[in-house]
Amino acid sequence: GENVEQHPSTLSVQEGDSAVIKCTYSDSASNYFPWYKQELGKRPQLIIDIRSNVGEKKDQRIAVTLNKTAKHFSLHITETQPEDSAVYFCAAINNYGQNFVFGPGTRLSVLP
Amino acid sequence: ETGVTQSPTHLIKTRGQQVTLRCSSQSGHNTVSWYQQALGQGPQFIFQYYREEENGRGNFPPRFSGLQFPNYSSELNVNALELDDSALYLCASSPRGGVADTQYFGPGTRLTVL
Repeated sequence: GENVEQHPSTLSVQEGDSAVIKCTYSDSASNYFPWYKQELGKRPQLIIDIRSNVGEKKDQRIAVTLNKTAKHFSLHITETQPEDSAVYFCAAINNYGQNFVFGPGTRLSVLP
Repeated sequence: ETGVTQSPTHLIKTRGQQVTLRCSSQSGHNTVSWYQQALGQGPQFIFQYYREEENGRGNFPPRFSGLQFPNYSSELNVNALELDDSALYLCASSPRGGVADTQYFGPGTRLTVL
């Protein structure tokens, strides 16, 4: 089955700096890769996603890149703000949509 | 458009008891997935229901079971509760089953087993 690894587990950056979180997956049949942000005590919220036929996607300060050959994808947040502080989860899902496999999460702290 | 809702918000049970958690999917969504999220970990897939049938299952024992109703709402039942079942239980709905699609999460039910 699919296995998703995520690094780093914790990340602290100064406000205004960039943050990068990396994930690797094992199942080459996975073709959809969402990123979720979860604030303390709240539900995971989708922030960006990418499908396997695309190499990069950007939405304002957030971008995701995908390398299918190497089976890894990354989240990039530029100009970080204190409200970006949260736990971020990557996930991989196969073509049949039956099983979202989540990474263990990255706790991002943006220091003012 | 109504988002995903779950009930109850919190629940305390004792070991050996049974529990039922409920989820209403987002309007227009026909697929519901259930996840268990232990403290400090990512959500773990329990199972998915599409058109009232189980459409995939993660590595959870048979005492975890579910239902989906004609209005696409869903229940998660856990029998013979164990201490390790203490977790946040999340449901997520998606517009289409059988394909890789965006899932939208509910607020979760926090279950504590004493």
